[in-house]
Amino acid sequence: EDKVVQSPLSLVVHEGDTVTLNCSYEVTNFRSLLWYKQEKKAPTFLFMLTSSGIEKKSGRLSSILDKKELFSILNITATQTGDSAVYLCAVEASGGGADGLTFGKGTHLIIQP
Amino acid sequence: NAGVTQTPKFQVLKTGQSMTLQCAQDMNHNSMYWYRQDPGMGLRLIYYSASEGTTDKGEVPNGYNVSRLNKREFSLRLESAAPSQTSVYFCASRPGWTPTEAFFGQGTRLTVV
Repeated sequence: EDKVVQSPLSLVVHEGDTVTLNCSYEVTNFRSLLWYKQEKKAPTFLFMLTSSGIEKKSGRLSSILDKKELFSILNITATQTGDSAVYLCAVEASGGGADGLTFGKGTHLIIQP
Repeated sequence: NAGVTQTPKFQVLKTGQSMTLQCAQDMNHNSMYWYRQDPGMGLRLIYYSASEGTTDKGEVPNGYNVSRLNKREFSLRLESAAPSQTSVYFCASRPGWTPTEAFFGQGTRLTVV
C-alpha cells in the first residue's frame, strides 16, 4: 500500500522566517511527487517533481526530491502571512492517472505577523 | 475555460437519504477522481476513472458508487447517507497519459445529520 508521511503536522512561525516542510513516501514504481497549497478551498498546485526534474523553484518557494532516500522538502523563505495554509504532498505511482494520487495528511502552517 | 466544476457546493442530508454529487471537466482529460477530505486526514481517494467506461475503487469506497457518464462527467452517489460521510468532497481530473498536476473542483461540503 502506498504511503505518504508529512512532517511536521503543524508549524507556527513568525513572518520573515524560513520554513522547511517534509514529505517521505513509500510507493511502488514511483512516478511523480506533487506539492499543493490549500487555503480553505480547493488545493492549488505548486510543484511537480519527477526523475527528470528533482529540483524546482518559484519565487520564495523551492522543492527538492531525493529519490534514493524517498523524501522531498518544500522550503519557503521570507515567509509572509499569505503563506499561511495547509501544504499537501502527493505521490503518484506508475500506471499514470489510473491509480490516482496518494496524499499525506498535510502540514498546517501558520505565519504570525 | 471553467476547468473542473462540481455541484452542489453545499448540502445537508438526513441519515438514510440519497444524493448524487456531479462533476464535469472541460479539459478533455481521461482520468477523473473523487476524494474526500476530513480534518487532519489529507485527501483520501474514494473512486477513480482512468477513462470513459472504467471505474475503480480507491482507498475508502464503502458507501459510495460512481458513474463515468462520458469523458466529461464523473458522478458520485451516496445511496444511504450516514453521519460518517460528513466531509468535504473534491473532484479532480488529469490528462492521464503523462505526469501532470491534478486539477481540482471547488469542493462540496456535505453534512449528514
